[in-house]
Amino acid sequence: NAGVTQTPKFQVLKTGQSMTLQCAQDMNHEYMSWYRQDPGMGLRLIHYSVGAGITDQGEVPNGYNVSRSTTEDFPLRLLSAAPSQTSVYFCASSYRGGDEQFFGPGTRLTVL
Amino acid sequence: AQRVTQPEKLLSVFKGAPVELKCNYSYSGSPELFWYVQYSRQRLQLLLRHISRESIKGFTADLNKGETSFHLKKPFAQEEDSAMYYCALMNTGFQKLVFGTGTRLLVSP
Repeated sequence: NAGVTQTPKFQVLKTGQSMTLQCAQDMNHEYMSWYRQDPGMGLRLIHYSVGAGITDQGEVPNGYNVSRSTTEDFPLRLLSAAPSQTSVYFCASSYRGGDEQFFGPGTRLTVL
Repeated sequence: AQRVTQPEKLLSVFKGAPVELKCNYSYSGSPELFWYVQYSRQRLQLLLRHISRESIKGFTADLNKGETSFHLKKPFAQEEDSAMYYCALMNTGFQKLVFGTGTRLLVSP
């Protein structure tokens, strides 16, 4: 099993550009989530999904969109990147909400 | 609203010394609490959760509902314990995991 995979590992964007961070898991987990990690602020939940076709907002959803068309994939879209979105983004999955979450390696995003 | 507080950004101890990483929470429901750890160049991973009542790598954590705390303890720190530790709380509906700001533990020889 590859576990949770994320692409790309690094990305530099200009303000106003859009992009999609990819996340996939091969563990047949129902629950998937996106976090951003900023210095001094820990990890903050952006969006989460409890199953295919079902998504909801976390603590800091503004500026981000998600969809969950399959169990395996949970992409995160930045519609119009802003410098405030410079961060490290982590995707995670678990069999169900409340279970141990397995994290991806992260994507380091810089918005200029 | 859920809130997790880790008051120490950095905790520096010598090898063999006891360690206590503090975690306090605010939540009106019945909390599900976790400790996650991130070693250098590794992924964030679960260390332990209060419901399992296990000791992992010599670490233990006891949920104190009266003091709303879930402190992580180890009697004798090892150099390999150096890492970033996050306390986290899952809400009653098991949908949202809220993390604290993290404590970096540095164990010196």
